[in-house]
Amino acid sequence: NAGVTQTPKFQVLKTGQSMTLQCAQDMNHNSMYWYRQDPGMGLRLIYYSASEGTTDKGEVPNGYNVSRLNKREFSLRLESAAPSQTSVYFCATDRLAANTGELFFGEGSRLTVL
Amino acid sequence: KQEVTQIPAALSVPEGENLVLNCSFTDSAIYNLQWFRQDPGKGLTSLLLIQSSQREQTSGRLNASLDKSSGRSTLYIAASQPGDSATYLCAGGGFQKLVFGTGTRLLVSP
Repeated sequence: NAGVTQTPKFQVLKTGQSMTLQCAQDMNHNSMYWYRQDPGMGLRLIYYSASEGTTDKGEVPNGYNVSRLNKREFSLRLESAAPSQTSVYFCATDRLAANTGELFFGEGSRLTVL
Repeated sequence: KQEVTQIPAALSVPEGENLVLNCSFTDSAIYNLQWFRQDPGKGLTSLLLIQSSQREQTSGRLNASLDKSSGRSTLYIAASQPGDSATYLCAGGGFQKLVFGTGTRLLVSP
């Protein structure tokens, strides 16, 4: 039982390059989330998906796109990476919709944009 | 807009000491309050979840309380151990808007 799996764990990009962060969960949860964690700023919500087929913007969506491919998978895409997107990205899920349940996190994807 | 603050930012204690970590939030209309642990280079692990109708939750040596009227939550760790060394984060939840504090970095010395 892997829980929440993120790939890749580490990535270095040049400004302007694109990439997709992948997240998969085997917990049969409805809601999935993408957060970024920056020093001194805590975790901030980028996008979330309350259920398969739906996605909504969080606090800091600019420069990102997401796809809820199916119930298990939720991907985050950077179309044209910028140095300000250097961060640690976390995918999370919760059992209940509307963020009322216990959150389960992946191990994180560490992205550096040069 | 919900704001979550954790004080102190860092705490160092000797092994065996009981300690309290503080979390304050500005909007008392929260669905839940969660405490997480984060080890260096790792993801967050949920420790305790307090629903808005509850006042506290306990798990082993951990006890978390919630006082919505004062906008405060505390995480009590009894008989601390070196293995408790980590960063502890709290997060206050609204409708799909869980707001995180910046964490308290705890070091427990043998």
